[in-house]
Amino acid sequence: NAGVTQTPKFRILKIGQSMTLQCAQDMNHNYMYWYRQDPGMGLKLIYYSVGAGITDKGEVPNGYNVSRSTTEDFPLRLELAAPSQTSVYFCASSYPLSGEQFFGPGTRLTVL
Amino acid sequence: QKEVEQDPGPLSVPEGAIVSLNCTYSNSAFQYFMWYRQYSRKGPELLMYTYSSGNKEDGRFTAQVDKSSKYISLFIRDSQPSDSATYLCAMKDNDMRFGAGTRLTVKP
Repeated sequence: NAGVTQTPKFRILKIGQSMTLQCAQDMNHNYMYWYRQDPGMGLKLIYYSVGAGITDKGEVPNGYNVSRSTTEDFPLRLELAAPSQTSVYFCASSYPLSGEQFFGPGTRLTVL
Repeated sequence: QKEVEQDPGPLSVPEGAIVSLNCTYSNSAFQYFMWYRQYSRKGPELLMYTYSSGNKEDGRFTAQVDKSSKYISLFIRDSQPSDSATYLCAMKDNDMRFGAGTRLTVKP
C-alpha cells in the first residue's frame, strides 16, 4: 500500500495565482483531512470529509475549497493565493472517529 | 488560552537520557490522547494512543494521562539519536486538536 500520497512536494506561487494540491489514499478510509502547519503553531485543520460527496470546514477554511468525488481522492484548491497561505500542507486519512490519522509527506507552498 | 499548550522547546539531551515531554489542555471533553512523532520534512506518524487517564507503555515509550489535572506526558527512556524529531501531542473528543510540537534532539 502506498498509504497517503500528496503532489506536488514543493510549489512557488505568485500572489493571485490558483492551484490544486492533490491527495490520494489507498486504505479505503472514509475520513480525510487537510491541515496546514506553520512554525510553532502545530497543525490547523482546514477542511475535512467523512465520505465521498461530504465535506465540512475546519478551523481555518478561508481561502480554500475542497471536493470529494471518490473515497480515494481529496484535492485542496487555493483560488487566489496570498502570502499568508505560505505553509506546509498535510493531507491525512483515518477510519471513522479514530484518533489514528495517517499523514501524507506534505506539500511545501510558498506564495510570493 | 489555547485549547492545547505544548512547550515548543527545542530540547537537547545526551544519548541515554530520560526525556519528558508534556502538554496541558483546557477542554475537559477530550477523551482520547495521542502522541505523534514527526521527522524533519515528513508527515506526522502515530506513536502512542491512550484513552482516558492512566499509563500506557510501549518499549522505551510511556504515555501518561492525568485528566484531573488536564495534563499529559510522554516519557522516552534510554533516548537514542534516532528519537530526534518533533513530538506533537493530540487530543480528541469530536474534533482533534494538536499541540504546537516539541523539537527534540538526542546527541550521541
